[in-house]
Amino acid sequence: GDSVTQMEGPVTLSEEAFLTINCTYTATGYPSLFWYVQYPGEGLQLLLKATKADDKGSNKGFEATYRKETTSFHLEKGSVQVSDSAVYFCALTTFGNEKLTFGTGTRLTIIP
Amino acid sequence: EAEVAQSPRYKITEKSQAVAFWCDPISGHATLYWYRQILGQGPELLVQFQDESVVDDSQLPKDRFSAERLKGVDSTLKIQPAELGDSAMYLCASSLSGDEQYFGPGTRLTVT
Repeated sequence: GDSVTQMEGPVTLSEEAFLTINCTYTATGYPSLFWYVQYPGEGLQLLLKATKADDKGSNKGFEATYRKETTSFHLEKGSVQVSDSAVYFCALTTFGNEKLTFGTGTRLTIIP
Repeated sequence: EAEVAQSPRYKITEKSQAVAFWCDPISGHATLYWYRQILGQGPELLVQFQDESVVDDSQLPKDRFSAERLKGVDSTLKIQPAELGDSAMYLCASSLSGDEQYFGPGTRLTVT
């Protein structure tokens, strides 16, 4: 079945540090890939997505590139801020199946 | 900006009691999803509706859980009887024909 493996957390960084959160996937078929973010006390929000190989999704300074050869979709940001503190989920859907399959989430804390 | 509404936000119930959650999707969204998020894990799909019809309920524990979307708009998820292991966040999401899913704030259930 489909699955997403995410970097174990929690992750603690200083403000302005470089961020990478690793995500790899296993899927039957050709998946679309997503990063969702969950701020404290709120629901999940779509951060970025990519629907085909070599596509780069980007939003709010975050980027992730769909790498079919390594089945990966790592999340990166060049300079994190305190407001980026949240839980980040990598997820996928496959063609003909709209349900999202999520990773376990990575809690990110940014220290001023 | 239109949002997915859920109520209640928090619910504490004793085991063996009945509990119900309500979700109002974004107007015009035909697809509605209920996910369960156990603490420290990613959300998992319980049931998916297309209008008033169930598309996928393969992960719904049907001996105690039920879901309905009678008029193809809002939806109710019920648990009867609740068990300790049902303590989790219950998330509702909606989408316009399988496109991006928009999540509500969730209902946090604690079973004592």
